[in-house]
Amino acid sequence: DQQVKQNSPSLSVQEGRISILNCDYTNSMFDYFLWYKKYPAEGPTFLISISSIKDKNEDGRFTVFLNKSAKHLSLHIVPSQPGDSAVYFCAASARNYGGSQGNLIFGKGTKLSVKP
Amino acid sequence: DGGITQSPKYLFRKEGQNVTLSCEQNLNHDAMYWYRQDPGQGLRLIYYSQIVNDFQKGDIAEGYSVSREKKESFPLTVTSAQKNPTAFYLCASSPRGGEKLFFGSGTQLSVL
Repeated sequence: DQQVKQNSPSLSVQEGRISILNCDYTNSMFDYFLWYKKYPAEGPTFLISISSIKDKNEDGRFTVFLNKSAKHLSLHIVPSQPGDSAVYFCAASARNYGGSQGNLIFGKGTKLSVKP
Repeated sequence: DGGITQSPKYLFRKEGQNVTLSCEQNLNHDAMYWYRQDPGQGLRLIYYSQIVNDFQKGDIAEGYSVSREKKESFPLTVTSAQKNPTAFYLCASSPRGGEKLFFGSGTQLSVL
């Protein structure tokens, strides 16, 4: 049973427009969420995170929104650039509920293509 | 440059053979992890270690073994008991108590 779901395998966006990547989770004990970006044949790199005590976190062109009641988070990229084309993974952990350190639960990823 | 080094980048395994994937970090991180990625799938945790000489099984530990004799090194052995070893293997590290993982560039393991 998937605890972290990214229901869109792929997303195509025009350069300069907004990219919105979605993630849903089922475990109400998750209290820390992260987004990673991955290029082919490379390891994922950390992008942005959010704690469950917040509903928004912003870092430059990247903003993550958390809706705890809906168990949903989203990553907004504005404006999108061709270099943003990659697979984006959503990950979650239950840090305050005895979750094993670093035992992140990952979604399957969404492949973002930003067209020039 | 600080980082995580995985080697080799590509590895081929014959039937019944054990192979070992190397992971070295010079970030002075206490915790290290091994993940497996299959096509179209998320990352699944194989083993993790929060301190030298100690490690824990992750969600899919069967057919794998690890050791943590040094803080910098966390090799993963894919044993012959792992019947479906073809995958992309990622090593990661983090400071103790941190979920922000730093990943290596991965090893693609294929079966001949």
